[in-house]
Amino acid sequence: SQQGEEDPQALSIQEGENATMNCSYKTSINNLQWYRQNSGRGLVHLILIRSNEREKHSGRLRVTLDTSKKSSSLLITASRAADTASYFCATEGGTPIYNQGGKLIFGQGTELSVKP
Amino acid sequence: DVKVTQSSRYLVKRTGEKVFLECVQDMDHENMFWYRQDPGLGLRLIYFSYDVKMKEKGDIPEGYSVSREKKERFSLILESASTNQTSMYLCASSQDREDSRGEKLFFGSGTQLSVL
Repeated sequence: SQQGEEDPQALSIQEGENATMNCSYKTSINNLQWYRQNSGRGLVHLILIRSNEREKHSGRLRVTLDTSKKSSSLLITASRAADTASYFCATEGGTPIYNQGGKLIFGQGTELSVKP
Repeated sequence: DVKVTQSSRYLVKRTGEKVFLECVQDMDHENMFWYRQDPGLGLRLIYFSYDVKMKEKGDIPEGYSVSREKKERFSLILESASTNQTSMYLCASSQDREDSRGEKLFFGSGTQLSVL
């Protein structure tokens, strides 16, 4: 079952511009995570935001979470060609269950292209 | 850094063959996961395991089985491969937490399986 839906599906920008990707989800969550995937490779974790947090920063990344709207956004500032990749949101949801950390449901991803 | 190693980067099999996809992680993680990734469908969870010899069905377990005889190794088995199982298969692992408040996944590089 798909939980997160990213928007837009594809985004093309110039180097130096900011890139914003959005994620919406359907059910209550414990946390929401963002991952990056370079073409044909595995995913790499970028940032995790918990359900009681509203904003989080990591380097050039800024993530916001609005649990009332069931949505999150990922902002990449001053983008570089090396940021070209697919970006996925993933949710860990509902009632905390002991010993079941890490069971994530992924969205379909946003494909970001940053042109030099 | 955590390393999750998948035994094959590319694999070509014939319909009806039994296929083994192997995954090994080196950080003593309790949790291990198998996802498949298809264009337009994102990542979908096939099976996961929270401990040795334990397994839980994900969202799309049909046609698959798993084995976890040792903590560091999680195998995905296609009992009789079919063309609709052509996909990118991603293995992941994560640390366990008592409060189940979220742990990031570490992914392998993926196995692109083609069933002819």
